[in-house]
Amino acid sequence: DGGITQSPKYLFRKEGQNVTLSCEQNLNHDAMYWYRQDPGQGLRLIYYSQIVNDFQKGDIAEGYSVSREKKESFPLTVTSAQKNPTAFYLCASSPPGGGSNQPQHFGDGTRLSIL
Amino acid sequence: QKEVEQNSGPLSVPEGAIASLNCTYSDRGSQSFFWYRQYSGKSPELIMFIYSNGDKEDGRFTAQLNKASQYVSLLIRDSQPSDSATYLCARGASGTYKYIFGTGTRLKVLA
Repeated sequence: DGGITQSPKYLFRKEGQNVTLSCEQNLNHDAMYWYRQDPGQGLRLIYYSQIVNDFQKGDIAEGYSVSREKKESFPLTVTSAQKNPTAFYLCASSPPGGGSNQPQHFGDGTRLSIL
Repeated sequence: QKEVEQNSGPLSVPEGAIASLNCTYSDRGSQSFFWYRQYSGKSPELIMFIYSNGDKEDGRFTAQLNKASQYVSLLIRDSQPSDSATYLCARGASGTYKYIFGTGTRLKVLA
């Protein structure tokens, strides 16, 4: 079955620690995205990537980093510079052609908390 | 001004009724609009997308788009308690790969 797999489901970060959230898709989608969702809030874009080896900052990129070495994979690192990382992190992808005219599909999310 | 606006709710409707969820947007150049359902603690699930003015139906769901008035609606017929969730409206930011989301409307279907 094609889909987007995020791991882990739950993650705890210690003070001063970097943590990496995994996102893998087998939908053959070109574009991939990372969003952050806080309780009762909408989705805020962290980073997105249209193609391999290219990515752009979203609205709240500070304290985060990404890489896109393979089409299928778009990992997100939450660095120690992100002082308020507790949130629900969602990875999404969209089919090729038409940019944001194509519907996005989401993974199941990773819930990150501070220890 | 928010780019995509939704009433946060909760919108309460009795079982079997029609639930009407509304969304307004500010960019007249927007071409694509999406509705997602998000259950508490889960990720958003795509329900419908619409590109053209008018209605688009899929089962119990109907999306309505009015570009002149800059609003998009989602109607849910024969609402069920299992429809209770937060519904997110999103639009594609024209000429980009970015999507703009509203903060969602919480729907409660009362049995």
